[in-house]
Amino acid sequence: GAGVSQSPSNKVTEKGKDVELRCDPISGHTALYWYRQSLGQGLEFLIYFQGNSAPDKSGLPSDRFSAERTGGSVSTLTIQRTQQEDSAVYLCASSFGTLPDTQYFGPGTRLTVL
Amino acid sequence: SQQGEEDPQALSIQEGENATMNCSYKTSINNLQWYRQNSGRGLVHLILIRSNEREKHSGRLRVTLDTSKKSSSLLITASRAADTASYFCATDGIPSGAGSYQLTFGKGTKLSVIP
Repeated sequence: GAGVSQSPSNKVTEKGKDVELRCDPISGHTALYWYRQSLGQGLEFLIYFQGNSAPDKSGLPSDRFSAERTGGSVSTLTIQRTQQEDSAVYLCASSFGTLPDTQYFGPGTRLTVL
Repeated sequence: SQQGEEDPQALSIQEGENATMNCSYKTSINNLQWYRQNSGRGLVHLILIRSNEREKHSGRLRVTLDTSKKSSSLLITASRAADTASYFCATDGIPSGAGSYQLTFGKGTKLSVIP
C-alpha cells in the first residue's frame, strides 16, 4: 500500500517568507509526527497528533511554527517569517498510535532558507 | 535532550565484515527500535526489541538489549556496500516532557561499507 508522502520534496525560500509543508499519512494511522533534522544531526521532535486529542506541541522551537491536522488525516506544518536556522529536512511519520509505536516515515521536505 | 546515544558516531568497514553499533539510553523503556536512513531522507524501520527480550534476529541483523546497562547493540553481519547508511536507535517510554507514545531518537551512527 501507499506509504507516507510529503510535499514539496524541496523548498527554497527567502528569509522572512512563510512556508507550508504537507504530510499525507498512511491510511488508518491515527498518530502523526513531525520531526526536524539539521545537517548531520539526529531527529528533533516537533509535534505529535493522536486521533482527536489535543496535539503535543512541546517540541515546537518557537511560535513561528504551527501545525494542524485536518479530518484526522493530512497535516500541514507552517513556518512563519522563516529564518536561516530553519533550514533543515522536515520529516513526517505516522503510526497506529499504540505501543509498540513503529513509525513509518515520509521522504521528507528539504527546506533551504536563503 | 537526546534519550539515546549511538556510538561510534561513524564507522567504516570493508564489505563482508561485520558492523556493530551501540546505543545507550537514560530512562526506562518499553521498547527499543533501530531505524536506517539513506542520504538524509526518510527513516526505515529495521527491528524492534521489547524490554523483556534480550536478543532478536532479522536476516543479517542481530539486536541485543541489556536493560540493566540501558544499552543495545545492532550487529550487521556480512556487510554489503548497500548497507551504507546512518543507523538510529529510538526508545519509547516517558522521558521528561514527552508523551508515552513518542519515540526519542539518538544522533545516529554513520556506517560506510567499502566495496
